[in-house]
Amino acid sequence: DIQMTQSPSSLSASVGDRVTITCRASQTISNYLNWYQQKPGTVPKVLIYATSSLQSGVPSRFSGSGSGTDFTLTISSLQPEDFATYYCQQSFTTPWTFGQGTKVEIK
Amino acid sequence: QITLKESGPTLVKATETLMLTCSLSGISISTRGVGVGWIRQPPGEALEWLALVYWDDDNRYSPSLKSRLTSTKDTSKNQVVLLMTNMDPVDTATYYCAHRKFYGSGSYKGVFDIWGQGIMVTVSS
Repeated sequence: DIQMTQSPSSLSASVGDRVTITCRASQTISNYLNWYQQKPGTVPKVLIYATSSLQSGVPSRFSGSGSGTDFTLTISSLQPEDFATYYCQQSFTTPWTFGQGTKVEIK
Repeated sequence: QITLKESGPTLVKATETLMLTCSLSGISISTRGVGVGWIRQPPGEALEWLALVYWDDDNRYSPSLKSRLTSTKDTSKNQVVLLMTNMDPVDTATYYCAHRKFYGSGSYKGVFDIWGQGIMVTVSS
C-alpha cells in the first residue's frame, strides 16, 4: 500500500493567515492526489482533485500543488469556516489511501 | 443531481456479518465508468478506504480487509451492498459510500466527489 503522511498533524492559526499543509506519499503517485475537508459531525467534502484542480463551488483561496511524492494544500487567507480537519488521499493505485489528517484550529 | 444514502443496522454483535446498502439516485450503477466507494471512519480517527465497486464488477478491496469484505451491485434497485464478516468492536465506525468521479488515465483513478450521509455502526462485544 502507498502510505500518505501529512504534516503537521495539527496547527493553530488566526483568521487571515496563510496556511500550508503538506502531504507526502511513500512512492510516486504522479498527480493523483486529492484533498478533502471535514468539519466535526459532517461528511467529508472534496476541495482539490488531481493535485491542483479546484472542485466546483470551492472558494479560490484554496489551492493545491506538487507532483510525484510531495504535495501541498494552501489556504491563502484563513476564514472562520475553514477551521476543520483536512485529509489528503491518493488514487494512483488501489487501495486508495488517506493521510492521517491535519486539524486546523483557531489560535 | 447525484445522491447516495447508506442504510443498515446501527448495532451489530461481535462475530456477526454487517450488511450495508448504498442507494443511488441520479446515476445508474450499471452505466459504463460508474464507481462507488466504501470508506469508514472510527470515532475521532482518520478516514479508511475499504472498497471500490465498478459498473463492470471489477471490484477492488482493501488488502487488510479483503478476506472479510464483499461488495455487490443490485442493478434492479440501483444499489450497492457491502458485506463485512466477523465483525469486531474495533470495526465500530461511521461507514460512508461515495461516488467516484473519474479523472486521468486508467480505470481506477478518481476522487470521491459526492458522499452519502454516513451510517454509524457500533459493534458490541
